[in-house]
Amino acid sequence: NSKVIQTPRYLVKGQGQKAKMRCIPEKGHPVVFWYQQNKNNEFKFLINFQNQEVLQQIDMTEKRFSAECPSNSPCSLEIQSSEAGDSALYLCASSRDGYEQYFGPGTRLTVL
Amino acid sequence: GDSVTQTEGQVALSEEDFLTIHCNYSASGYPTLFWYVQYPGEGPQLLFRASRDKEKGSSRGFEATYDKGTTSFHLRKASVQESDSAVYYCALLNSGGSNYKLTFGKGTLLTVTP
Repeated sequence: NSKVIQTPRYLVKGQGQKAKMRCIPEKGHPVVFWYQQNKNNEFKFLINFQNQEVLQQIDMTEKRFSAECPSNSPCSLEIQSSEAGDSALYLCASSRDGYEQYFGPGTRLTVL
Repeated sequence: GDSVTQTEGQVALSEEDFLTIHCNYSASGYPTLFWYVQYPGEGPQLLFRASRDKEKGSSRGFEATYDKGTTSFHLRKASVQESDSAVYYCALLNSGGSNYKLTFGKGTLLTVTP
């Protein structure tokens, strides 16, 4: 079973509010990913890190989304100004080598 | 771009039935293929992976064989149990450019009745 920890499990925000979620990757996993899973169970890659450096992020992420993975602190994903379309399950995954990715339980964001 | 197609959106079986979920992929290069399972309220769990042609991945009675010729990675289990009820995702990873992002299929909801 995965040892990736995500908090909070549920997050409710109004439109325009900030939403922040955290992830503690498995010990010894330097690669961290954020994915968005929508209500149709479709996955969208958002961003990934190796150690503290961004490997790749999608355009959407560059505008309203920000993420970081500081050393000795949880990784985080923040949406600066939430929109209704951001309602989804946000999944953090970690990996030793980038290939086998182990997911946490996710943070379910609801934007009212 | 890369894509994964799962033919079945939903599969309903009885316990001890044989399971097949079809997965075909389209990708440049030589991707690594995965099967994940997701239970309600949880994140996807990795079942297994395969990295080269004719390699078989297996776990918990599930298996799939990488077939580069037909670009397929079909999931099979000889005898399903009620506890196997979940959503199953086929996924691929093309590591060109050090990206490592997974591309998922749309998922197959498996319901097993006793």
